[in-house]
Amino acid sequence: ETGVTQTPRHLVMGMTNKKSLKCEQHLGHNAMYWYKQSAKKPLELMFVYSLEERVENNSVPSRFSPECPNSSHLFLHLHTLQPEDSALYLCASSQSTANYGYTFGSGTRLTVV
Amino acid sequence: AQSVTQLDSQVPVFEEAPVELRCNYSSSVSVYLFWYVQYPNQGLQLLLKYLSGSTLVESINGFEAEFNKSQTSFHLRKPSVHISDTAEYFCAVSDQGAQKLVFGQGTRLTINP
Repeated sequence: ETGVTQTPRHLVMGMTNKKSLKCEQHLGHNAMYWYKQSAKKPLELMFVYSLEERVENNSVPSRFSPECPNSSHLFLHLHTLQPEDSALYLCASSQSTANYGYTFGSGTRLTVV
Repeated sequence: AQSVTQLDSQVPVFEEAPVELRCNYSSSVSVYLFWYVQYPNQGLQLLLKYLSGSTLVESINGFEAEFNKSQTSFHLRKPSVHISDTAEYFCAVSDQGAQKLVFGQGTRLTINP
């Protein structure tokens, strides 16, 4: 497998559920990112990991909890979400800087009911 | 801080007509410029990039963009669009050595038959 793979592609969860989004990259990159994309809103950067350390957290509510166990895997743990958290969640990876651009996964379409 | 402005949120054009999607960024000494395309329910895919060298860069499907340092612009053009070009297009910029890309708000390109 090559590129950036996100699972699941679609997820419906209740407000009291706990679920996790998974992202895996096979590109040898050492930086990974979570973005949120809502309808009619710009892309929102949520978290940045570089060499498995979180280097940026853009005021994201604590009901979103990222985890980066190694440079190839990134998770987003979800609990007690709100309906307004429904969105497309995109994972991306890059080399140590973004100067060569990102490679994105296909995203997870999350619906909170 | 770097910022990116895509001047048009929506661009409707007829099939086989030319199109230009505009992108301006805030000034910086060294920048790296990208255009990404997003088809419905998918992640972002890299369309083309400017890193250095020739200011005119091309993609494999007929798009081109020109880096204009004096105007701080990186507009995307195609001389003749197809229905399959219907998508959202994002301009992105990275300062030299930066950890992350800064994205514009996106331009939705709609092709009418």
